[in-house]
Amino acid sequence: QKEVEQDPGPLSVPEGAIVSLNCTYSNSAFQYFMWYRQYSRKGPELLMYTYSSGNKEDGRFTAQVDKSSKYISLFIRDSQPSDSATYLCAMNSNTPLVFGKGTRLSVIA
Amino acid sequence: GEEVAQTPKHLVRGEGQKAKLYCAPIKGHSYVFWYQQVLKNEFKFLISFQNENVFDETGMPKERFSAKCLPNSPCSLEIQATKLEDSAVYFCASSQTGHTEAFFGQGTRLTVV
Repeated sequence: QKEVEQDPGPLSVPEGAIVSLNCTYSNSAFQYFMWYRQYSRKGPELLMYTYSSGNKEDGRFTAQVDKSSKYISLFIRDSQPSDSATYLCAMNSNTPLVFGKGTRLSVIA
Repeated sequence: GEEVAQTPKHLVRGEGQKAKLYCAPIKGHSYVFWYQQVLKNEFKFLISFQNENVFDETGMPKERFSAKCLPNSPCSLEIQATKLEDSAVYFCASSQTGHTEAFFGQGTRLTVV
């Protein structure tokens, strides 16, 4: 079992839809959780950073962490074509970041 | 600077040649990380530095790969005697501490032919 599991998609939604992306993990020591957005041939761009369990909201993005279930989510409200990208979850404790494989999202106008 | 700067953007090397990649972290960030991204978005951790000291090198191949972060110079990742399997995008990231937000550069695409 991989340390971090993430459905690679692809996920295709119409513009304006709510998008739900998620990852599961096996290492209960993970405390820091991140979501990155990566456009084709670009570097990962940090979207959200969360410490431990809870919710965090930033504009159209909401990150949720449920440590008891070892499950993290990213919600995108009012999705836009410009949100089309690969979304990577990443997490760690005092260790290097461990990444999911990324979910490829397409938002169709 | 305000962003992680990686050079060059693209690098083509013949098998057996040396490749050297550079990374300037965000000013004030003490930690630098190198990752290799191969097909299907797999990110493989290579090495991290705390200032100029190696912090974690558990991902570094024992042979051919080396890295440095010297004061007042960009960090570097060097691959001696490149192989076809070294073809990948190499990303550098920096952070203020070892486990806070890591910010990535745009990567160096290495192609070994």
